[in-house]
Amino acid sequence: AQSVTQLDSQVPVFEEAPVELRCNYSSSVSVYLFWYVQYPNQGLQLLLKYLSGSTLVKGINGFEAEFNKSQTSFHLRKPSVHISDTAEYFCAVSDFGAGNQFYFGTGTSLTVIP
Amino acid sequence: DSGVTQTPKHLITATGQRVTLRCSPRSGDLSVYWYQQSLDQGLQFLIQYYNGEERAKGNILERFSAQQFPDLHSELNLSSLELGDSALYFCASSVDPGQINEQFFGPGTRLTVL
Repeated sequence: AQSVTQLDSQVPVFEEAPVELRCNYSSSVSVYLFWYVQYPNQGLQLLLKYLSGSTLVKGINGFEAEFNKSQTSFHLRKPSVHISDTAEYFCAVSDFGAGNQFYFGTGTSLTVIP
Repeated sequence: DSGVTQTPKHLITATGQRVTLRCSPRSGDLSVYWYQQSLDQGLQFLIQYYNGEERAKGNILERFSAQQFPDLHSELNLSSLELGDSALYFCASSVDPGQINEQFFGPGTRLTVL
């Protein structure tokens, strides 16, 4: 089974500053990678996904992520954060094992400070 | 709005009781996934159904069971409830587990066991 590590459980950052949320996964076989965001009292919403092709993936709300196969990483970045980006962020991986099963990291709580 | 609906939104019950959580997938999605989100264990995959049949099993306790009905809605049954079962339970759906697809998440059911 896959495992996903989100190295930072909490990330505070000032408004308009850049942010990077780190994600590493365990397997070196073909994987498919996702970032989801969870706003308070809501379900998870897809930010972006990597299935194949360009290793730099752009998502919604100005977020992007870079797939690095050699480092088994899929870090999420945003050049300038807003207060509204305060949320929990989850990295997920699927290896097409048992029917699109996702393995989630433990989440990173991003707090944007005004 | 992801198109996935879950009822009820909140559920408060006592230890030893049994509850049923309900999920309706997005129109056209054949696969349903159940997840448990707790503070100490993060987002844990429980079980997946595809077109009425169990497809994959994760960290689901024997006290828990699920099924998917012909109209594709799914129910998660939790019995002999313990305090530690208090959590957010999410349902997600996707089109076809035969290929890697985004999972769309419902708003969740918050279960509190007293």
